[in-house]
Amino acid sequence: NAGVTQTPKFRILKIGQSMTLQCAQDMNHNYMYWYRQDPGMGLKLIYYSVGAGITDKGEVPNGYNVSRSTTEDFPLRLELAAPSQTSVYFCASSSLGATNEKLFFGSGTQLSVL
Amino acid sequence: AQKVTQAQTEISVVEKEDVTLDCVYETRDTTYYLFWYKQPPSGELVFLIRRNSFDEQNEISGRYSWNFQKSTSSFNFTITASQVVDSAVYFCALSEAEANNDMRFGAGTRLTVKP
Repeated sequence: NAGVTQTPKFRILKIGQSMTLQCAQDMNHNYMYWYRQDPGMGLKLIYYSVGAGITDKGEVPNGYNVSRSTTEDFPLRLELAAPSQTSVYFCASSSLGATNEKLFFGSGTQLSVL
Repeated sequence: AQKVTQAQTEISVVEKEDVTLDCVYETRDTTYYLFWYKQPPSGELVFLIRRNSFDEQNEISGRYSWNFQKSTSSFNFTITASQVVDSAVYFCALSEAEANNDMRFGAGTRLTVKP
């Protein structure tokens, strides 16, 4: 019962460094999402994907990139890390989309950019 | 644009008290969906309920109940006889039918239940 798996759980980056946050799901879900959660704020959508090879921007995409080469994996790339990207990142998936059913969330990645 | 407001930032109650978490939403769409998620200290968000805009029936699930009122654009969540395990951050969220996949979350309400 793995569900949605995110790695790493914690990471500290220096300004200007790059990294990839990994997300994998084993439920054969078509829809996958990346959210960020800032202190005292709700989750904001960064990017989402409706299937392998298809991605689209969410509310706050600047500074991030994604790819979806397989149904299972949806990595999030930070190219030039900035302090404003310090946040907790959540990956989520669903079978029918965020409107039609609930999202299954990973346990999050806490990222600090110093 | 869709928006969700959870005015209560933090609530603290003593075990066995009833508590209501408020959620007010804004949308221009006539078809939309409302959700509540729970984020326990472990961090992972857990789905609690989904409601569509055409179903205003209140729902009860054990100690949890939800009151959906379109007239006041509210979708409030009540925990009856609260327990320490209910301590968590609770998020209300809105998803419009016309903006599929763009679910908007409120800022969350941190509930602390003291023994």
